[in-house]
Amino acid sequence: NAGVTQTPKFQVLKTGQSMTLQCAQDMNHEYMSWYRQDPGMGLRLIHYSVGAGITDQGEVPNGYNVSRSTTEDFPLRLLSAAPSQTSVYFCASSYSRVQETQYFGPGTRLLVL
Amino acid sequence: LAKTTQPISMDSYEGQEVNITCSHNNIATNDYITWYQQFPSQGPRFIIQGYKTKVTNEVASLFIPADRKSSTLSLPRVSLSDTAVYYCLVGDKGDDKIIFGKGTRLHILP
Repeated sequence: NAGVTQTPKFQVLKTGQSMTLQCAQDMNHEYMSWYRQDPGMGLRLIHYSVGAGITDQGEVPNGYNVSRSTTEDFPLRLLSAAPSQTSVYFCASSYSRVQETQYFGPGTRLLVL
Repeated sequence: LAKTTQPISMDSYEGQEVNITCSHNNIATNDYITWYQQFPSQGPRFIIQGYKTKVTNEVASLFIPADRKSSTLSLPRVSLSDTAVYYCLVGDKGDDKIIFGKGTRLHILP
């Protein structure tokens, strides 16, 4: 099992550009989520999904869109990048809902100029 | 979700036992307590989970008093490689949202 994979590892964007951060898991997990982590800070929940076709907002959803067309994939879209979205983005998955062991991906470092 | 309070940072020395306490005064009856560890430039990883009393695994122990309003993560004989951020989470297995706080930044000194 590859676990949770994220691509790209690092990305530089200009303000106003759009992009998609990819997240995939091969563990047949129903629950997936996206977090952002700013320097010296904890993780903040952006969006989450309890299963294919179902998504919901977390703590900081503005500026981000998600979709869950398959169990395996949970892409995060930045519609119009802003410098405030410079952060490290982590994707996580678990077998079911909260308080099951969450498995995290390696992260994507995003720099918005 | 029950809110948690942890120390922002702690220092300790190699070989010592480290105890990190998390307060969760409004914990609900169905809530579990879960701890994660995050090394620099990596995603968090699960350490331990418990509901009451004491839980132990190969990495740590988790002590939960009878009133469950706090919990203590105990790391025995720490090494430099235990330098990390430790997060305490409290929630019901039926919750949809997993909320991380700022965690406790543990720095192990030689």
